[in-house]
Amino acid sequence: DGGITQSPKYLFRKEGQNVTLSCEQNLNHDAMYWYRQDPGQGLRLIYYSQIVNDFQKGDIAEGYSVSREKKESFPLTVTSAQKNPTAFYLCASLGQGHTEAFFGQGTRLTVV
Amino acid sequence: DAKTTQPNSMESNEEEPVHLPCNHSTISGTDYIHWYRQLPSQGPEYVIHGLTSNVNNRMASLAIAEDRKSSTLILHRATLRDAAVYYCIQVKAAGNKLTFGGGTRVLVKP
Repeated sequence: DGGITQSPKYLFRKEGQNVTLSCEQNLNHDAMYWYRQDPGQGLRLIYYSQIVNDFQKGDIAEGYSVSREKKESFPLTVTSAQKNPTAFYLCASLGQGHTEAFFGQGTRLTVV
Repeated sequence: DAKTTQPNSMESNEEEPVHLPCNHSTISGTDYIHWYRQLPSQGPEYVIHGLTSNVNNRMASLAIAEDRKSSTLILHRATLRDAAVYYCIQVKAAGNKLTFGGGTRVLVKP
């Protein structure tokens, strides 16, 4: 079945460590997105990529980095520069022709 | 940025219809209107989308104003499983940034 997979579901890290969240899709979608969600809040866009080897900053990119070396994969690195990294992270993809966006089930990152 | 405005929350009784409004006054002619809903601790799921005409699917109906500056998601008979946060977003033909607002939290009372 086609879909978008985030791993792991829960992640714990010590303060000051970089951590990379995985996002893989087999939907052949060109566009991929990373969002951050804090408790009781909406989704805030971190980075997005419309094509392989290209990506743009979203509204809250500071302290994060991404790469898009393959169409299927869009990993997000939460760096030590991110002041408050504990949050729920969601990845999404969107195909051509105004089909719906698909979301992963999210990664809950806790930094202690 | 393509920004939508929605009420923070709405309540409904089970088995009654729910009408969720969304304002998208900056919408351009080729932007689609998408609706998603999010259950606690899950990723959002697609509900419905449209361009100009009203749309129906098994989950809901979407009524789009003639000037396209607003739309209404209609859940015809709310169930307890419809309790979620509903997001309305504008999806552009190119340069999709997919910016979400705060959404509307729907509470369904038995």
